[in-house]
Amino acid sequence: DTAVSQTPKYLVTQMGNDKSIKCEQNLGHDTMYWYKQDSKKFLKIMFSYNNKELIINETVPNRFSPKSPDKAHLNLHINSLELGDSAVYFCASSHQDRFGYGYTFGSGTRLTVV
Amino acid sequence: AQRVTQPEKLLSVFKGAPVELKCNYSYSGSPELFWYVQYSRQRLQLLLRHISRESIKGFTADLNKGETSFHLKKPFAQEEDSAMYYCALGSGNTGKLIFGQGTTLQVKP
Repeated sequence: DTAVSQTPKYLVTQMGNDKSIKCEQNLGHDTMYWYKQDSKKFLKIMFSYNNKELIINETVPNRFSPKSPDKAHLNLHINSLELGDSAVYFCASSHQDRFGYGYTFGSGTRLTVV
Repeated sequence: AQRVTQPEKLLSVFKGAPVELKCNYSYSGSPELFWYVQYSRQRLQLLLRHISRESIKGFTADLNKGETSFHLKKPFAQEEDSAMYYCALGSGNTGKLIFGQGTTLQVKP
């Protein structure tokens, strides 16, 4: 029943490895996002896709590559992981209603690079 | 520049006391403002958005365009209100959210 689900919930990996985080939403939303929450709890957008098309790419190193095979999925692949990539990554999706954008967030993936 | 500022990193109050979490924004257009809450190690949940003028869990927030503020208020804090609160600005037509730095609310018994 989970609206926005991310896997894995926790990921511990060594520097230099390549890893992927998956996100799926069953809400029928057109737009999906990746946000990064750093160690100071600061949240910043990384990417946004609308109906499989990239619409936001916020000066993120090109080691990070999002992929959206269909509008219900937005995965994040990270190459050559660095210590500074340790963070919580949140996936979200949104729709527009009469009040504007309504967002639903996933429960986050806690990435630790050692 | 589009920016959201939450000046307090931590706000500590006693149960039953009034709470005001401050949020100021900078945006050239007509702002779309939100408050999100994150309980310990959980997902962000929408608390309220200015356009719908709701009151959720006793919290309210009024948009003051003159002061460019959207402060979150509750008359009587409860222990279960302890969480991280984020003010966010919807930016343009992309759906992008710009978050403030977050304020941790600690309600003591």
